[in-house]
Amino acid sequence: QVQLMQSGAEVKEPGASVKVSCKASGYNFTDSYINWVRQAPGQGLEWMGIINPSGGTTTYAQNFHGRVTVTRDTSTSTVYMELTSLRSDDTAVYYCAREPEYYDALDVWGQGTMVTVSS
Amino acid sequence: EIALTQSPVTLSLSQGERATLSCRASQSVGNELAWYQQKPGQAPRLLIYDASNRAPGIPARFSGSGSGTDFTLTISSLEPEDFAVYYCQHHTNWLYSFGQGTKLEIK
Repeated sequence: QVQLMQSGAEVKEPGASVKVSCKASGYNFTDSYINWVRQAPGQGLEWMGIINPSGGTTTYAQNFHGRVTVTRDTSTSTVYMELTSLRSDDTAVYYCAREPEYYDALDVWGQGTMVTVSS
Repeated sequence: EIALTQSPVTLSLSQGERATLSCRASQSVGNELAWYQQKPGQAPRLLIYDASNRAPGIPARFSGSGSGTDFTLTISSLEPEDFAVYYCQHHTNWLYSFGQGTKLEIK
């Protein structure tokens, strides 16, 4: 079955960077886009960015002011999200989610990765 | 960027009642709107895409309607497992946006 498996929880100090991975399985990796969405404790969903695994093209939400980078490794069907210059308000659960080629919505989600930013 | 506003913020209903959740877009989005359900500690689950199409495996009591700027998610008869937070979502030109969510709670 289609699955997105994310890396484990992280604890980082303010100013550091974090890199979260999302390994896809059960479908052709290059046929679907991968999005990153985060959710701060008790808050709603915030879209961060998207990558086309086929060509590596990306688009990011303006809110992150260049702090987020999404990359992919087609040899391992893995997408990475790196967030730099971490602040305490970056503490959140980070999700990857698939956008299939046949409709504009996110049909499969990873289990989420908790990133805690604290000194 | 298109803003999505959901109402009400909280909806208190009893099992078996009908739930009507609203999502309004700041400009027309055609029918490019999706709905998600999220339970505590879980990832969101896709319910509806393209405004009115149920995702695979979603029960028939969930339905979506609307176009342009006004959309509705209806749950015809609430089951215990339906009490959760619901989000609407739109994207255009590779930019996604989510509504702030409606919490559906047991009355």
